[in-house]
Amino acid sequence: GAGVSQTPSNKVTEKGKYVELRCDPISGHTALYWYRQSLGQGPEFLIYFQGTGAADDSGLPNDRFFAVRPEGSVSTLKIQRTERGDSAVYLCASSPGGVDGYTFGSGTRLTVV
Amino acid sequence: AQSVTQLGSHVSVSEGALVLLRCNYSSSVPPYLFWYVQYPNQGLQLLLKYTSAATLVKGINGFEAEFKKSETSFHLTKPSAHMSDAAEYFCAVSDEGGTYKYIFGTGTRLKVLA
Repeated sequence: GAGVSQTPSNKVTEKGKYVELRCDPISGHTALYWYRQSLGQGPEFLIYFQGTGAADDSGLPNDRFFAVRPEGSVSTLKIQRTERGDSAVYLCASSPGGVDGYTFGSGTRLTVV
Repeated sequence: AQSVTQLGSHVSVSEGALVLLRCNYSSSVPPYLFWYVQYPNQGLQLLLKYTSAATLVKGINGFEAEFKKSETSFHLTKPSAHMSDAAEYFCAVSDEGGTYKYIFGTGTRLKVLA
């Protein structure tokens, strides 16, 4: 596609529930990233995929968070047993690799009530 | 660990005035540096990047930034502010452990006064 697409744009869930956030990167981009942006903060790195594999998942806060990219294109960020502290905007980005900078999606605003 | 400091969480300028948004990083090794802009309810858009070529980098919408190694700075400027420049601006630096990972500052919200 022309840009990075994230769905849903907004998600409200109850504490303890499971959520999935989807990212569809720019066609042909091999690198995909997930970041989390809390209110009043800059984005914080969560995980980086090169192709199908997670090359760096050091930013995932705990084992309730998991991400996959089974075919090297679309990625899903999965959060189990959501907590109110998980409320944030989850940003996905993709790049062709190298150091040219990312292209970000518009994000998914997750609210845990 | 790498860190980024953006001085001033809010900056106000008059339309037509100079825009100066400050960014300092902590690495002793020259990193890759980026400025992103975020409009309300939108994702981040890349304004410009420094990747060890020319130290003065020109970006979109008339913005430019100068990499100063001696000052560990990468300040963003625009000679004449326009109302449409009102947004939040983020400075980012590549992490020492991997250039694919960016460390973002906390952002500066730019307000342009008529």
